[in-house]
This record gives sequence, C-alpha cells and structure tokens, in this order.
Amino acid sequence: DAGVIQSPRHEVTEMGQEVTLRCKPISGHDYLFWYRQTMMRGLELLIYFNNNVPIDDSGMPEDRFSAKMPNASFSTLKIQPSEPRDSAVYFCASSFGGSSQPQHFGDGTRLSIL
Amino acid sequence: GENVEQHPSTLSVQEGDSAVIKCTYSDSASNYFPWYKQELGKRPQLIIDIRSNVGEKKDQRIAVTLNKTAKHFSLHITETQPEDSAVYFCAAKGSGSARQLTFGSGTQLTVLP
Repeated sequence: DAGVIQSPRHEVTEMGQEVTLRCKPISGHDYLFWYRQTMMRGLELLIYFNNNVPIDDSGMPEDRFSAKMPNASFSTLKIQPSEPRDSAVYFCASSFGGSSQPQHFGDGTRLSIL
Repeated sequence: GENVEQHPSTLSVQEGDSAVIKCTYSDSASNYFPWYKQELGKRPQLIIDIRSNVGEKKDQRIAVTLNKTAKHFSLHITETQPEDSAVYFCAAKGSGSARQLTFGSGTQLTVLP
C-alpha cells in the first residue's frame, strides 16, 4: 500500500501566483480530507469529499481557495491568488467509512508564499 | 461545533517514566476519539483510537481512557523511550453539523535520556 501521496512536497512562490496542491488517496478509500496546519491555528479541516462529492467546505478560509475531486484517485486544492498568510503545511488524508474510521495522512505540502 | 482542549502543551519526562496527556471535548454526542503522533517535519500518524462505547483501550505501552460523563479522554504512555518524543494530538468526532474530527492543539512530548 503506497499510502496517501501528495505533491509537491515543497512549494515556494510569490504572492499573487496560483498554487495547486495535489493528492492521491489510498485506493478504495471513499473519504478524502484536506487540512491546513499552522503554529497559530493548529490542524484545521478545510474541506472533505465523500465518493468524490464535496460534503463540507465550511473550513475553506476564503473564495481564493477551491478544491476538486474529479475521480476517486485524485484531488486538488487550489489557491488563487495566493497571499503570504496562506503559508502553511497542507495535508491530505483519506479514510474508508468517514471520520469515525482511521484517517491516513499524506506527507504534506509545505507552502511558502513570499 | 465541537471544541477540543488539550493539556499540557509541553511535557518533559525521564526515559522510563510515564507520560499522560489529557483532552476535554464539548459535544456530549461525540463518539470517536483518535490520537495522532507527529514527529518533526512528518505526517500525523494514528497511534490509538477509542469509541464511546469503550472506557479503556491498550496497545502495548500506549493506553487511552475515556470518561463520557466528564467529557474527557487521556493518553497514557508507559516506559517512555526517546523515540516517543513527538507532538501528540487528540481529536474528537462531533455530531450533527460538526461530524468531522476536531483536533486539540497538540502536546510536545520530550523524553530525556
């Protein structure tokens, strides 16, 4: 089992640029979660999908953030335009059966917006 | 929504001693409580979880206890080792509109050799 795969591992870009983070969940998992981790706010849920359908995006901070899951094996989190306060580690996690089941995290993308 | 508070924020113990981390939650209908370990620069990894129909669960040196009446749960690590040094996060799955995991703020555990 390859686990949850995220890319890129690190991203450094200038303010105003579009940023796209990618995630491949564990095969067979039907839930996918995007989290953001910062020192100030800890680990926050941004959005989650069930069977490729977005269920709750109430954690998405602003309209600059969007997420898609075109199929069961791929999801993207996009920030456009990016701002320095978006700098954080973004984790993708997947589970089989929802939040009452173990969530498996990817290695994360460390995003720095200059 | 669910609110999870975690204490202490930092904890230092001597190798071989026990460590206890405590969390409280607000939603009395919460029914799933996982604990994650995150080493520096790495992903959070599930180390143990407990459901609301169980009061205690053990896995080798790690145990979790749940007190539903008081709405708190704790992580116990016995015979600590240097490799136990990491940040530990508790989480709770709420009910209703807050049906996803809410994480505590984390505890930096340092095991001194």
